Amino acid sequence: SAVISQKPSRDICQRGTSLTIQCQVDSQVTMMFWYRQQPGQSLTLIATANQGSEATYESGFVIDKFPISRPNLTFSTLTVSNMSPEDSSIYLCSAMTGRTGELFFGEGSRLTVL
Amino acid sequence: EDQVTQSPEALRLQEGESSSLNCSYTVSGLRGLFWYRQDPGKGPEFLFTLYSAGEEKEKERLKATLTKKESFLHITAPKPEDSATYLCAVQAKTGGFKTIFGAGTRLFVKA
Repeated sequence: SAVISQKPSRDICQRGTSLTIQCQVDSQVTMMFWYRQQPGQSLTLIATANQGSEATYESGFVIDKFPISRPNLTFSTLTVSNMSPEDSSIYLCSAMTGRTGELFFGEGSRLTVL
Repeated sequence: EDQVTQSPEALRLQEGESSSLNCSYTVSGLRGLFWYRQDPGKGPEFLFTLYSAGEEKEKERLKATLTKKESFLHITAPKPEDSATYLCAVQAKTGGFKTIFGAGTRLFVKA
């Protein structure tokens, strides 16, 4: 298993600004992912965070809007750039240990854009 | 396109009233089907992984089963603390461990 810490846990931001969310895992993991969960809805994969290289983005998500870094096996950041109210959501960091497929999640970062 | 559909959207039970949650899936070669529990304000918590049709897993009052097209999460004699959203998810063999989630079933268990 893995324990994942995210910060900030919540923030209120102004339109047009950017916010970086940090994700720290307590052990080395094979893969890290970033998800978005809008109120009352399920999880949508934003991207796979690749160590030392560019993230792999899902359809509808682009690097200019959601730059992601993963400098080592236990840490990743997601930036939400040039925010608009439509970016208000919960952003979740997740990690996979080994190759059995199950994911461990952080508590999420609740972002409100005014 | 890989897809996961869960039903019902919400389920209200009395304590002790057993029931089942359904997860229908379409995937191009199943690597694994997963069940997660999500409490309000928290990230999802892993419950089970099922890899092939006919497989079953149990944990306390929960039992997950898998066929070639769907999975069921059976809840036996539920308690109020079982109230949560239950998420079903799949990974395809060719998906690079990308996990696709269903919309979830919100379970309410009343004492």
